[in-house]
Order: sequence, then structure tokens, then C-alpha cells
Amino acid sequence: GAVVSQHPSWVICKSGTSVKIECRSLDFQATTMFWYRQFPKQSLMLMATSNEGSKATYEQGVEKDKFLINHASLTLSTLTVTSAHPEDSSFYICSAGRQGGNQPQHFGDGTRLSIL
Amino acid sequence: QQPVQSPQAVILREGEDAVINCSSSKALYSVHWYRQKHGEAPVFLMILLKGGEQKGHEKISASFNEKKQQSSLYLTASQLSYSGTYFCGTAEAAGNKLTFGGGTRVLVKP
Repeated sequence: GAVVSQHPSWVICKSGTSVKIECRSLDFQATTMFWYRQFPKQSLMLMATSNEGSKATYEQGVEKDKFLINHASLTLSTLTVTSAHPEDSSFYICSAGRQGGNQPQHFGDGTRLSIL
Repeated sequence: QQPVQSPQAVILREGEDAVINCSSSKALYSVHWYRQKHGEAPVFLMILLKGGEQKGHEKISASFNEKKQQSSLYLTASQLSYSGTYFCGTAEAAGNKLTFGGGTRVLVKP
């Protein structure tokens, strides 16, 4: 089956640091990837849709300058949390699906971000 | 708008059955079901397209009532491995953007 790899799994850093998270589709090309944020015991909240070769589409309330998304190739999307603060601490998950029709979303293992 | 899942939580004994519902106020094109275990990423279970079809995955099956914009997930003869949080994700059009429900926490006890 499809595999999506996400790196790193854990990040602990000081306030003010920028953190980059990578999401790779390992066995298929993904023109679209999705970035979610999940707080403990809560649902998955879509942050943005990452489009290969073009600008990401952000959901309402998500700061574009805060969460930078780059989708430079058909297998890699990156999310950079700029100047991270404690309130940015969360579980970030990416997903990707094969093209065409209704395809399942395959999720990466997630990145647990802790800002001190 | 987020689909509504019910119940929020359910506790089962091994071998018992349960039903999880997912309702939307919007016309849906498809409903996706995922299971997430603590500290892990969600795992895909199945997709249901409009047309009222029913699908199965092991002893887990689901249905989609297009007229009611409602999907139900059926856990039959539950196993310990069924424990986790179940999320429905809804799509209003063909394509992959999903809106997830609040989740249903399932605990299966021996």
C-alpha cells in the first residue's frame, strides 16, 4: 500500500526557533498533500492544502506567514513553523493520496512539536 | 462545518457490537473512516461514495445514507485491537480534501 513518511517524529526547541517538518510520499506521486494539526484528545484540523508547484491553500484562521508550506516536488512537502512559541506546541500530521477519483488519505506518523 | 459523530465514547466487552454515527449538514460526495491509536497517525479503514453502498474491512463495516447525509460504522464481534479513536472524514466533492468529525473513542475490554 501507499506509504507516507514524515520527519522528524519529535522536536523540542526553544521559543523563537523555526522548525521544518518534511512529508514524503514514498511509492506514489502526490500533487496534493494536506497538513493537519491535532491537540490532545481532539480531532484533526486541516491547516492547509499543499499543491505541487504552486502556492498552498490555507484554511481560515491559519497564518500563512507563520506556517510556511513548500511543495517543490511530487513526493515532498515541507511545513515550516516560523518563530515558534509555546502555543504552537501540537501534533502535526501530513497526509497524501493517489490522484484520481476518491482515494484514501494516507497519513504520515506525525510530528510532536514541543516549544519551551 | 465539522461533521458530528456519536457517541463520543463507547466501552465494549470483547465480542460485543457497536455502531458509530457520522452526520453532516452538507451534501456529501463521500465519507472516509479512519482509526487512530494513541500517539499514532490515523489509519485508513474504508471509503463510502454516495449511492448508499456498504463496505467491510474485517468485521468492521459501514454504510452511507446519501439522503440523510449520514454514515454509520459497525463494529461486529469486537476485538481488543479495535480499541482506538474512530474519525469520519467527509468530502463535499470529488477530490481528497476532508473535514473530520470530533472522533469516537472506543475501548474494548477483555
